[in-house]
Amino acid sequence: AQSVTQLGSHVSVSEGALVLLRCNYSSSVPPYLFWYVQYPNQGLQLLLKYTSAATLVKGINGFEAEFKKSETSFHLTKPSAHMSDAAEYFCAVISGGYQKVTFGTGTKLQVIP
Amino acid sequence: KAGVTQTPRYLIKTRGQQVTLSCSPISGHRSVSWYQQTPGQGLQFLFEYFSETQRNKGNFPGRFSGRQFSNSRSEMNVSTLELGDSALYLCASRTGDTGELFFGEGSRLTVL
Repeated sequence: AQSVTQLGSHVSVSEGALVLLRCNYSSSVPPYLFWYVQYPNQGLQLLLKYTSAATLVKGINGFEAEFKKSETSFHLTKPSAHMSDAAEYFCAVISGGYQKVTFGTGTKLQVIP
Repeated sequence: KAGVTQTPRYLIKTRGQQVTLSCSPISGHRSVSWYQQTPGQGLQFLFEYFSETQRNKGNFPGRFSGRQFSNSRSEMNVSTLELGDSALYLCASRTGDTGELFFGEGSRLTVL
């Protein structure tokens, strides 16, 4: 079975500050991991994905995530928050063929000017 | 390349009615998944179709059903609508079994 836990349903950061959104997963086999972003009244957009090629994954809009097998984590970071980063972020996992994609409960990021 | 297209974008129904939502995946994508998103329950998986066959299913009552056509387009149907069915319904397609999902903009259903 696979699952995803996102710590913190709401995170607030100041503009220019570090963004850190946490994601832990459970999987019985090496996973594929994803981060998605959702702006109001829109669908989800892929930020980045981990597919075992490299542990540090760079995505769009300056975001990156590091896969840590020992910690079963895949936290999302961005060095400097921008107002346009305010959105909801979802971590997701697939842990094998024919598996559905399992999403975390999401983290709403607020950026304070 | 066109993205995932969902129709209609917005609709209003009354309790007891039924609704059909449509999804056209990205060309070449054979897998289509449906999700329900509500403020209280978050993003919940409904079902996934691959080559016209349902291969994964979430924990929703039988009122929720879907199908996929030979051209990979998919529809989902909700019968006997309840107030709690008000939600954003998202469709997503992907290439392979471990590929990322590409989402449409969703169909927002309001049940009165």
